[in-house]
Formats: sequence, C-alpha cells, structure tokens
Amino acid sequence: SQQGEEDPQALSIQEGENATMNCSYKTSINNLQWYRQNSGRGLVHLILIRSNEREKHSGRLRVTLDTSKKSSSLLITASRAADTASYFCATVPSGGYNKLIFGAGTRLAVHP
Amino acid sequence: SAVISQKPSRDICQRGTSLTIQCQVDSQVTMMFWYRQQPGQSLTLIATANQGSEATYESGFVIDKFPISRPNLTFSTLTVSNLSPEDSSIYLCSVDRQAGETQYFGPGTRLLVL
Repeated sequence: SQQGEEDPQALSIQEGENATMNCSYKTSINNLQWYRQNSGRGLVHLILIRSNEREKHSGRLRVTLDTSKKSSSLLITASRAADTASYFCATVPSGGYNKLIFGAGTRLAVHP
Repeated sequence: SAVISQKPSRDICQRGTSLTIQCQVDSQVTMMFWYRQQPGQSLTLIATANQGSEATYESGFVIDKFPISRPNLTFSTLTVSNLSPEDSSIYLCSVDRQAGETQYFGPGTRLLVL
C-alpha cells in the first residue's frame, strides 16, 4: 500500500517560477527519495535524503525532511519546460526493509 | 547506476491470455523488484525477486497470477497470467546496488488488455 500522500496532485506554473511539492508518510523511515517520471516511462532518481538529514541540494533541486512531522518537500527553482513530469516521493521504512513505498505523486506542468 | 532494459516495451493482449515481461540488467545485482503502475496512479510493488529462491510477494499479489523467475543475477521475468482489462498497466522492473538505497528503473512495459 502507498506510504502517504503528496500535494498538490497537480501543479501548473510558468517557466522561471519555482515549484514546490510536498510529501507525507506514515511510518518511521531510513530514507526518503524523490523520483521523476516523464510521460509514463521509467523513473529517474533525483535525490535521496536520510532520516538524520534535514536538507539536501542537487543543482536546482532542494529537498527538506521533517521526521517529526513525517513530511518532506521538493523545491525546483527556476523551472523549465523540460521539468514537466510526474514527481514521486518514496520511502524506505526503518526496521530492516529494503523496499520503496511510493507516494501518490504530483503532476507538474511548466509552460513556456 | 545501472542500465536496465525491458521487453516488450508495449503489448496489446486478449483477455484470458498471459504476457511475460523480461528485465535485463547490465551487471549483477542481488535484488530485482517488479512494480505495477495502473493508469494515472503511483507505483505499487508486486514482488521482490531473489536469485536462487522464490520471489517475495506483497499483500494483494499472488504467485499464480504473477509468477516470477530469476534464473541469474542479471535477468528476471514477470508473467501476468489470465489477463483481464484490469491488468492494463505499466509494469516496471528495478534494481538497487545497495539494499534500501537508490533504485534504478527500467523503461517499463505498457500493457493493454482488450
């Protein structure tokens, strides 16, 4: 079953604007990961943040993690039309599991 | 990283038939995972395929419907049996280099059941 929810379900912005997506989860985790999927194709890994980390950056991406609230956010700065995709958070539960549990995803549309 | 290929990339099948999907990795991996993505939905883990042992299925998925083979450390197949229109989905395989870390996904197999 899915670990949690993402909001918004869909986001439409103009090029150059920032996009923020949020993810909530239910159980204790080892890490949380963000993936991108273009047009129903395979997923591309974006960033992994561990349970003892609070913030991580990769290029135009900024991820935060608040384990007390069981939530994470993904910020894409200066968005481009090529960022149009679905974005999923996925968690690895703590307790010896090595499987990913995916959130519902956010569909991002960036208009030129 | 890992380079993963899947065959077929898409297929249209009649109800009652079966489809076998192949997943090939460019190097040896311990764990391979099979996911289903129903239209407009997120990914749901079907099973974890371990080389040399039976696959571990998630709740709601059974071996009779989704038999999996894992003959070696670079290859796995997923069969979707006795197809119905509800099986129309994208099926994806993935691997990880280290347990619980980044997973690398294949391009997916898009299945339409008529």
